Amino acid sequence: EVQLVQSGAEVKKPGESLKISCKGSGYSFTSYWIGWVRQMPGKGLEWMGIIYPGDSDTTYSPSFQGQVTISTDKSISTAYLQWSSLKASDTAMYYCARRYYDLGYYFDYWGQGTLVTVSS
Amino acid sequence: QSVLTQPPSASGTPGQRVTISCSGSTSNIGSNHVCWYQQLPGTAPKLLIYRNNQRPSGVPDRFSGSKSGTSASLAISGLRSEDEADYYCAAWDDSLSGPVFGGGTRLTVL
Repeated sequence: EVQLVQSGAEVKKPGESLKISCKGSGYSFTSYWIGWVRQMPGKGLEWMGIIYPGDSDTTYSPSFQGQVTISTDKSISTAYLQWSSLKASDTAMYYCARRYYDLGYYFDYWGQGTLVTVSS
Repeated sequence: QSVLTQPPSASGTPGQRVTISCSGSTSNIGSNHVCWYQQLPGTAPKLLIYRNNQRPSGVPDRFSGSKSGTSASLAISGLRSEDEADYYCAAWDDSLSGPVFGGGTRLTVL
C-alpha cells in the first residue's frame, strides 16, 4: 500500500528555521516525483515545488523560489521542505504528494499534511 | 488569485446532479489533461478524476469529468450528503513547468 507519512505539527517563532518531512513507503521511492503543496488557512491549494528522489532534480514554483528548500534522502525514502527564516505568513498546512504520469501529470497519493504555525 | 477559475460555491439537494466548472488557458487546460481533487473537511485532498474523465479505483461512477478547449467540468450525480467537500481542478502548466490549481469550489448538500 502506497503511503506518504508526514512529520507532526510545528509551532515556531518568526525568524526560526524549520524542516518538515514526508516518508514514502509501499512503492519505489526513487521512481516518482514528490511535490509539496501549501494550503493557507481557509484558502486553496498552491504548488510549491517538486523533487525527483532518484537524482534530486528539483523545480520550484516562481512564487516559492528562494523562500523554501526542497530536498530528499533516498536512503530513508524521505523528502523534506525547509525554511531558514520563518514568517507569520508561512502559517499553513503543507502537503506532500506523489506525482504520477498517465498521459498526464497528477498527484495520486497525498500525505496527511503538516500544520505549521508561526507566531510570536 | 488562482490560475484556474472555479466558482467559489455550489449546492444541491440529495439526489440532484450538480456541475462545477473550471476555466484555464492554452498553456494549461488547453494543452494538458485536467484532474480533480476532493477535499473533505479536515482531511488531505484525494484524487477524484484524472486524465479529464478517468476515475481512480474506488471512486463512484456518480463522479464524472469532461474537458473542452480551455475549460473543464466535474459532474456529480445522485448527490449525497457525504459529497459535501471542497473540489479543486488542476492541470499541468507548460509555462510554469508545474501544476496549477483552481481556487476550489465548496459544495454544500442542502
